Amino acid sequence: NAGVTQTPKFQVLKTGQSMTLQCAQDMNHEYMSWYRQDPGMGLRLIHYSVGAGITDQGEVPNGYNVSRSTTEDFPLRLLSAAPSQTSVYFCASSSLAVQETQYFGPGTRLLVL
Amino acid sequence: GENVEQHPSTLSVQEGDSAVIKCTYSDSASNYFPWYKQELGKGPQLIIDIRSNVGEKKDQRIAVTLNKTAKHFSLHITETQPEDSAVYFCAALSLEYGNKLVFGAGTILRVKS
Repeated sequence: NAGVTQTPKFQVLKTGQSMTLQCAQDMNHEYMSWYRQDPGMGLRLIHYSVGAGITDQGEVPNGYNVSRSTTEDFPLRLLSAAPSQTSVYFCASSSLAVQETQYFGPGTRLLVL
Repeated sequence: GENVEQHPSTLSVQEGDSAVIKCTYSDSASNYFPWYKQELGKGPQLIIDIRSNVGEKKDQRIAVTLNKTAKHFSLHITETQPEDSAVYFCAALSLEYGNKLVFGAGTILRVKS
């Protein structure tokens, strides 16, 4: 049981490039989400999904796309990277039961030049 | 929507002393309040949580208290040890985005030996 895994651990992009951050969980959790972490701002929700085929926007969705074709995977796509997207990105998953524990992945550190 | 404020932003204590971190929230409908510990280079890890039907919860050296009337909750760490040094985040569950966690900005705890 690996929990929540993320790849890559670190990535450098040039402005305008696109890339996909991978997230996978093996706990059969319905709910998956992406957060970004910036200094002094805690973690902010980008997108979330309540099950395969269902995604929705969080509080800071601009510049990011997601899809959920399987229960296990929830990739985050940066369409055209901007320096403002330099951040640490965390994927999390949980059971859909209200108030259930959220499990976080180890994070992807992204630098956009 | 929910807003969570966390204080202090940094906290230094001597090994063996107690540490207290406080959070306030804005949405009276919130009823689940987890605390996460984040070590350098890792994702947040749940250390304790509290639900609105209780006022206090303890787990060995860690305790959390909740005052729903005043809309604040606190993390108490007793007999601090160097391995307690980390960033601590409080959060409140908001039903605005499914199981969305609204995080505080974090507290850097340093335990000096």
